[in-house]
Amino acid sequence: EPEVTQTPSHQVTQMGQEVILRCVPISNHLYFYWYRQILGQKVEFLVSFYNNEISEKSEIFDDQFSVERPDGSNFTLKIRSTKLEDSAMYFCAGGTGLFNEQFFGPGTRLTVL
Amino acid sequence: AQSVTQLGSHVSVSEGALVLLRCNYSSSVPPYLFWYVQYPNQGLQLLLKYTSAATLVKGINGFEAEFKKSETSFHLTKPSAHMSDAAEYFCAVSVGGGGADGLTFGKGTHLIIQP
Repeated sequence: EPEVTQTPSHQVTQMGQEVILRCVPISNHLYFYWYRQILGQKVEFLVSFYNNEISEKSEIFDDQFSVERPDGSNFTLKIRSTKLEDSAMYFCAGGTGLFNEQFFGPGTRLTVL
Repeated sequence: AQSVTQLGSHVSVSEGALVLLRCNYSSSVPPYLFWYVQYPNQGLQLLLKYTSAATLVKGINGFEAEFKKSETSFHLTKPSAHMSDAAEYFCAVSVGGGGADGLTFGKGTHLIIQP
């Protein structure tokens, strides 16, 4: 059964550095999402992406975040200048759009020092 | 805006006992509702979903949930708990069915299974 994959599983970076988190969605999915989960807190929606552009974004998704799907397979989340509070687990998800059902990847744990 | 409340951050049951995890939602339009399970150090796995086709929804691993509009609830149940059910469970709501909307999650319930 196809699965969403994410790399790396764990990323450690220094405050102020740029990071790129990568995701390979399931091939027949059309909608793609990023979520984050700060340790001990709920999963929070960041952004949805469809037809090569952002569909929806939350208040969390400010100018330091960007997403793209450059080659039709990888779906990336870039954080330009990381802050300590960006430390979290970041989940990629995808879906066909039917009933807004979303399938999640295993996550990337980002640690900002 | 929609919201989800999960009553009880921790629920402990004995192996073989009934599992009941509570979820209440708030939505101004008919929602789509989901339960996800997260095992330690893993991602979110979809357990089941409510899409208005039937109020009683059956999912994987013997779990089911019942949508009650009058109570704005979508509680998750399993008749007999197994040790492997120990995990974090998240209820989520979407008010858009087209795919663009993000899911709104509850804070999660940590299910503990006592031997």
